[in-house]
Amino acid sequence: EIVLTQSPGSLSLSPGERATLSCRASQSVGSSSLAWYQQKPGQAPRLLIYGASSRATGIPDRFSGSGSGTDFTLTISRLEPEDFAVYYCQQYGSSPLTFGGGTKVEIK
Amino acid sequence: QVQLQESGPGLVKPSQTLSLTCTVSGGSISSGDYYWSWIRQPPGKGLEWIGYIYYSGSTYYNPSLKSRVTISVDTSKNQFSLKLSSVTAADTAVYYCARGNYWYFDLWGRGTLVTVSS
Repeated sequence: EIVLTQSPGSLSLSPGERATLSCRASQSVGSSSLAWYQQKPGQAPRLLIYGASSRATGIPDRFSGSGSGTDFTLTISRLEPEDFAVYYCQQYGSSPLTFGGGTKVEIK
Repeated sequence: QVQLQESGPGLVKPSQTLSLTCTVSGGSISSGDYYWSWIRQPPGKGLEWIGYIYYSGSTYYNPSLKSRVTISVDTSKNQFSLKLSSVTAADTAVYYCARGNYWYFDLWGRGTLVTVSS
């Protein structure tokens, strides 16, 4: 099983600032099979990024993903008020499918 | 547009079987384009994938739950279902159904909280 470790656990930033979230895998994730999700309180997760760097339909271009192998990054270029949420990475390169523990982006 | 909606009891007694159904509207499970999954999230914690089913009935389960999980599909009703047996308090969670595009999840239901308690 591939274990995903997200860091930091929480991030305190102001609107307009840049957020950089990390997701590290315990072994290489095949074919860059990594996705990122955003979850707000009381809501289901929403797909942001798949294939490590492809934005899902309707996702603003301030969200970008990068990385390969064992190290992946989600960047939010300029935080908007609606971006404060918890972010999860998920690998789908091997079974079982696994999620990271999440990074909470909080308003400073 | 396609929507997913979970339904089922919100309270299950320990040692009993948790049963949930996901109804897909606005699209057909039988299209063959997607896999259909269950994912859960204990209160205040992270996400755990439970398993998936294809419209043909083929399944794959998370090995950590495999001995207790059954996922089935009813294409005539455009639904798929989850059964989790021998539940304990550790199975208390919000249960989501989700559409799998390859193996990432591009559409989720709103989730339903299931509490295991006597």
